Amino acid sequence: KNEVEQSPQNLTAQEGEFITINCSYSVGISALHWLQQHPGGGIVSLFMLSSGKKKHGRLIATINIQEKHSSLHITASHPRDSAVYICAVREGETSGSRLTFGEGTQLTVNP
Amino acid sequence: KAGVTQTPRYLIKTRGQQVTLSCSPISGHRSVSWYQQTPGQGLQFLFEYFSETQRNKGNFPGRFSGRQFSNSRSEMNVSTLELGDSALYLCASSLEGSGWSPLHFGNGTRLTVT
Repeated sequence: KNEVEQSPQNLTAQEGEFITINCSYSVGISALHWLQQHPGGGIVSLFMLSSGKKKHGRLIATINIQEKHSSLHITASHPRDSAVYICAVREGETSGSRLTFGEGTQLTVNP
Repeated sequence: KAGVTQTPRYLIKTRGQQVTLSCSPISGHRSVSWYQQTPGQGLQFLFEYFSETQRNKGNFPGRFSGRQFSNSRSEMNVSTLELGDSALYLCASSLEGSGWSPLHFGNGTRLTVT
């Protein structure tokens, strides 16, 4: 079992739909990152969370530490949101801990 | 403010050769981390440097090494290249490290080993 699991693996939506991508992890973490990767490889950091909820424009990220679960929501989705969304967790509290990635969710938003 | 710069963007090497990749972080960032991305394994952590010290290392063989200079620029080296080392290599910089501050990624170096 992977330490970080994302669902769904693939998601197709119509423009304007509300989208949710889920991330579950099995280890204690100090931080969780949501990343966006467009074709061509460039990765953009969307959020870094250690508790609660963050919002940036149409994007909302939440985390439940007790349940070891995080969600990324996209409101009023747009074709330019089409990308791979990746969840990554920083394990533990020490400076020696590593970043572990989920396999990513491929999102396609059709006009 | 300039972003994270990785050089070169593309590289073709032959099995058995060695390669050095470079990463210049955002000014003021002290942490640089390196990642390998392949279609089969996804993104995997290679190592993280902070103020010239390697803070953590992923599960990669000793052929993969890195260093960080006093100006925070970092290099990673892969010796005795294997076909399986073909991948996109990404570096990211942050103020304090991935547990404490957001990551800023470079555009990556695409390495092809033939």
